[in-house]
Amino acid sequence: QSALTQPPSASGSPGQSVTISCTGTSSDVGGYNYVSWYQQHPGKAPKLMIHDVSQRPSGVPDRFSGSKSGNTASLTVSGLQAEDEADYYCSSYSGTDNWVFGGGTKLTVL
Amino acid sequence: EVQLVESGGGLVQRGGSLRLSCAASGLTFSTYWMSWVRQAPGKGLEWVANINEDGTKKYYVDSVKGRFTISRDNAKNSLYLQMNSLRGEDTAVYYCARDRYWARDYWGQGTLVTVSS
Repeated sequence: QSALTQPPSASGSPGQSVTISCTGTSSDVGGYNYVSWYQQHPGKAPKLMIHDVSQRPSGVPDRFSGSKSGNTASLTVSGLQAEDEADYYCSSYSGTDNWVFGGGTKLTVL
Repeated sequence: EVQLVESGGGLVQRGGSLRLSCAASGLTFSTYWMSWVRQAPGKGLEWVANINEDGTKKYYVDSVKGRFTISRDNAKNSLYLQMNSLRGEDTAVYYCARDRYWARDYWGQGTLVTVSS
């Protein structure tokens, strides 16, 4: 049950787009379309932003989008806003009734 | 509005036990899988365990198997995590979360568990 690999940091200026990657294996990310993304502001609980690779829950701005290619999933934030500055975590079903998270990416809005 | 409120965290000695609770409201609790997810200080998220709607199926991350037990009481709209033989690496904020969409769509604010030596 190894953690998924995310870059520790990412950044962009307001209005720009930024993409955060999440790399796993064929046993997790590549094997199932059950990748989700979470946003966490300091001292707060995580918030679901994307589920099932690319689906946005009600209330999540359409500036947030998800995709997957092979063993790598991606979260793209378009039209960056100051409030998007947070930690982002990916997660995937890893088979045998287990779930795995990525190490997290700190997104900075310059 | 869905609300999940954890309680029961605190300071415990290595080898000790603790029982976490999660009180749910604003949802039909008995129709959802539920999870516990933890976050060590300054670290990332780690899925710990989940349980199906009627409590008959329970799954755990390898590091807690045999030490932690997840359970629920649908009559009380409550989720529990019994933690035994606690280790230093169990120190974390423990979140209760609702499972939906093959993800965790609502989270509580968490309860801090600190295991001291």
